[in-house]
Amino acid sequence: QSALTQPPSVSGSPGQSVTISCTGTSSDVGSYNRVSWYQQPPGTAPRLMIYDVTYRPSGVPDRFSGSKSGNTASLTISGLQPEDEADYYCSSYTTSSTLFGGGTKLTVL
Amino acid sequence: EVQLLESGGGLVQPGGSLRLSCAASGFTFSSYAMSWVRQAPGKGPEWVSAISGSGGFTYYADSVKGRITISRDNSKNTLFLEMNSLRAEDTAVYFCAKERVARSGPRFYFDYWGQGTLVTVSS
Repeated sequence: QSALTQPPSVSGSPGQSVTISCTGTSSDVGSYNRVSWYQQPPGTAPRLMIYDVTYRPSGVPDRFSGSKSGNTASLTISGLQPEDEADYYCSSYTTSSTLFGGGTKLTVL
Repeated sequence: EVQLLESGGGLVQPGGSLRLSCAASGFTFSSYAMSWVRQAPGKGPEWVSAISGSGGFTYYADSVKGRITISRDNSKNTLFLEMNSLRAEDTAVYFCAKERVARSGPRFYFDYWGQGTLVTVSS
């Protein structure tokens, strides 16, 4: 199974919105509403930001939102803040396992 | 406070073996499925293996099936990963990760991660 496809990088200025895409196949993203997103600043462990496509764990700001259409899931971050600068990874359930994306580096200009 | 502390990483020759441990605290360990997730330098995470809260069900990525065994000791709140026939491509930081929801099979949503332990496979 191949990793999910994400753009290598995105950028935005403080206050702006950015969207990160995550493309899979009909065997993973397209078949299950079990997509999650993780934020990983350098040198730290990943932090769960979104699960079940659209749900936020407690403590995650509502500036972070998720969606899905077909084989592609998306993470939107609105009102960008400097502390949002990090690598972001999507993940999708597939039969008895999970796949991660290659990651997107978000730069806050 | 939930804490996960991995240990056991190091430098090993190709074909060698290693046993990783993850000491858990701050939650009812036996109620949660646990996973190992690895991350090679500069790469995205890769899920490796999962185990149910009771230890009765185990799951493996195709890339490690037959070479890796996950287990847990609920009396000691510890998760293990036994790795054999190690290859250069197994080089990575290995994280143990806790499932978000208790008393459920693995849904692969990890709300707590350890700091990771580095495994380097090289001659």
